[in-house]
Amino acid sequence: SQWGEENLQALSIQEGEDVTMNCSYKTYTTVVHWYRQDSGRGPALIILIRSNEREKRSGRLRATLDTSSQSSSLSITAAQCEDTAVYFCATASMSNYNVLYFGSGTKLTVEP
Amino acid sequence: GPKVLQIPSHQIIDMGQMVTLNCDPVSNHLYFYWYKQILGQQMEFLVNFYNGKVMEKSKLFKDQFSVERPDGSYFTLKIQPTALEDSAVYFCASSFSSAETLYFGSGTRLTVL
Repeated sequence: SQWGEENLQALSIQEGEDVTMNCSYKTYTTVVHWYRQDSGRGPALIILIRSNEREKRSGRLRATLDTSSQSSSLSITAAQCEDTAVYFCATASMSNYNVLYFGSGTKLTVEP
Repeated sequence: GPKVLQIPSHQIIDMGQMVTLNCDPVSNHLYFYWYKQILGQQMEFLVNFYNGKVMEKSKLFKDQFSVERPDGSYFTLKIQPTALEDSAVYFCASSFSSAETLYFGSGTRLTVL
C-alpha cells in the first residue's frame, strides 16, 4: 500500500475551532493533493502542495509537506459547518507517477 | 469549473449481467481514470487510460472489466459478468496531464443483486 494509515478517521469539532488532519505515506513523492468529498459527490481538489513549497495556503486552508518524514497535513482555520466533508490526501509515487493513490480519508463534522 | 458527467447516477442489475458505466470527461482532457469506492471509504484506483490505451491497472481491475473511449466520446467501464462484490460507487475522473489535478464526476452507484 502507498499509505501508513489505512482506516477512515472521524473528527467532530465545533464551529469556529481550528482543525488539523494528517496523512503519512510510504513511498517518496514530490506532490501531495488534498481533496474534499461532499456527501453524494465526487472528490474535488482543494489544495496541492509540492516538495519545494513546504507550506501552502488557500483562504482558511493551510497544507504542509515534509518529504523527510513523508507526511502532509491540512489545517482549517475557524471551521464552518460547510466544511463538513471527507478529506483525502493523494499522491503519485515516483515509480508510478501516472496514478494518483488516495489515502483512507478523514471524515470531518463541524457542528454549529 | 470543468465538469465530468457520469450516467446513470444509479444502476441496479442482477448478478451475472453486463453493465456499462458512462463518463463524459472534460473536453480537452487527455487522461481518464476509474476509481471504486465502497461505503464512502477509500477511493481505490482501478485503471487509467491515455491515447486510446490502458496505461495502468490495479488488482481490482479484474478480467471481467474493460474500458474504452470509442471515437473520443464517452469513456466507458464495462463489467461482464458482474459479481456481488462489484457493488460500489464508481467514479470517473479526467485530467489534462498525468496525475495532475483530477476532476471527478459525481459517481455511479452500482448495486448488484
